[in-house]
Amino acid sequence: AQSVTQLGSHVSVSEGALVLLRCNYSSSVPPYLFWYVQYPNQGLQLLLKYTTGATLVKGINGFEAEFKKSETSFHLTKPSAHMSDAAEYFCAVSDKSSSASKIIFGSGTRLSIRP
Amino acid sequence: NAGVTQTPKFQVLKTGQSMTLQCAQDMNHEYMSWYRQDPGMGLRLIHYSVGAGITDQGEVPNGYNVSRSTTEDFPLRLLSAAPSQTSVYFCASKPGPVSGANVLTFGAGSRLTVL
Repeated sequence: AQSVTQLGSHVSVSEGALVLLRCNYSSSVPPYLFWYVQYPNQGLQLLLKYTTGATLVKGINGFEAEFKKSETSFHLTKPSAHMSDAAEYFCAVSDKSSSASKIIFGSGTRLSIRP
Repeated sequence: NAGVTQTPKFQVLKTGQSMTLQCAQDMNHEYMSWYRQDPGMGLRLIHYSVGAGITDQGEVPNGYNVSRSTTEDFPLRLLSAAPSQTSVYFCASKPGPVSGANVLTFGAGSRLTVL
């Protein structure tokens, strides 16, 4: 069965500092991996996804993530945090073998930005 | 384009009451799903459907029923509400052909309180 672990339920960084949100996955088959963002009182929207090919994936708003198969990780980074990045971030996994292709989410990481 | 529409946005129930959360999408998506979001637990999959007439259980299906009579609609029924079902519920859909790589489009959420 697939699962996702997000390390750190809350991360706080200063404006302009590096953002690093950690995600590790478990999957018995090659995964598809996603990062979604949720702004207050809204639904989730896609930041970026990895399917195949290049392991460094660029998303919206300057975020990127790198798929590392050997570490079963898909950490999200942004070189310089902005106040507007304050939100909750969810890592998610799906797999290539299941026709149902359901998506399983991690527990989320709340990102706070200090002025 | 309305996308994914959920109703109601807020609902308060008493223990033992029944209700239906409505979800409709106008994007002709084959796949639809329901998640619940609870603090510290992320999003957990309740039920999903890969097409009209086809439904299946997710991670936390107990206490919930679904049906999919049309492509557009995927209602979630609580037959006898319990306080443990207090949560924010999200409906999400993705296009066919159904694949793990396809991106979910989320509704704005329905906040349910069971007293």
